[in-house]
Amino acid sequence: NAGVTQTPKFRILKIGQSMTLQCAQDMNHNYMYWYRQDPGMGLKLIYYSVGAGITDKGEVPNGYNVSRSTTEDFPLRLELAAPSQTSVYFCASSYSGHGLAKNIQYFGAGTRLSVL
Amino acid sequence: LAKTTQPISMDSYEGQEVNITCSHNNIATNDYITWYQQFPSQGPRFIIQGYKTKVTNEVASLFIPADRKSSTLSLPRVSLSDTAVYYCLVGDPGANNLFFGTGTRLTVIP
Repeated sequence: NAGVTQTPKFRILKIGQSMTLQCAQDMNHNYMYWYRQDPGMGLKLIYYSVGAGITDKGEVPNGYNVSRSTTEDFPLRLELAAPSQTSVYFCASSYSGHGLAKNIQYFGAGTRLSVL
Repeated sequence: LAKTTQPISMDSYEGQEVNITCSHNNIATNDYITWYQQFPSQGPRFIIQGYKTKVTNEVASLFIPADRKSSTLSLPRVSLSDTAVYYCLVGDPGANNLFFGTGTRLTVIP
């Protein structure tokens, strides 16, 4: 069972370059999230999606874009990379519905991004 | 949005019980309390979730007093592999307002 898969694991970008961080989940979860984690800090929510075709901003959305065309995939796009975007990016998914487990998030292994 | 406050760090010897308390004075009626564990270079992993009273699973216990303004994660007989950062999240699962704070860095000493 793959769970949440993120690619790539590592990436170095030059200032101004663009890239897409990929995230896929095979648990048929309706909710998906993107977080960033700076060294020694907690996670900050960038964007989230409650279902295919629906996305919304989190705490730190500036400089990023997302799309959700399918239930499984939730890519994160950086259009003009800046040094401030150097961070570890985590994708997560959850099921939000009736049941004992309330929106428990399952995380991928992360993408470590450096912008130089 | 319920703000949470946790100790920044804690040390414990192997084999001891560890209790990490989280304060959340502004918790709302629909809010649940969820704890995650994060090892270095990994994504957070769900530990336990509760709404009130006590919840226990194979990994930990969660104690929530009647006023729900705080909660305590209890790890029985910790081992070196329990060294990690522990996050307390409070929010309404259906509203997607579960935000991670800076967490508590637990170091287990041999």
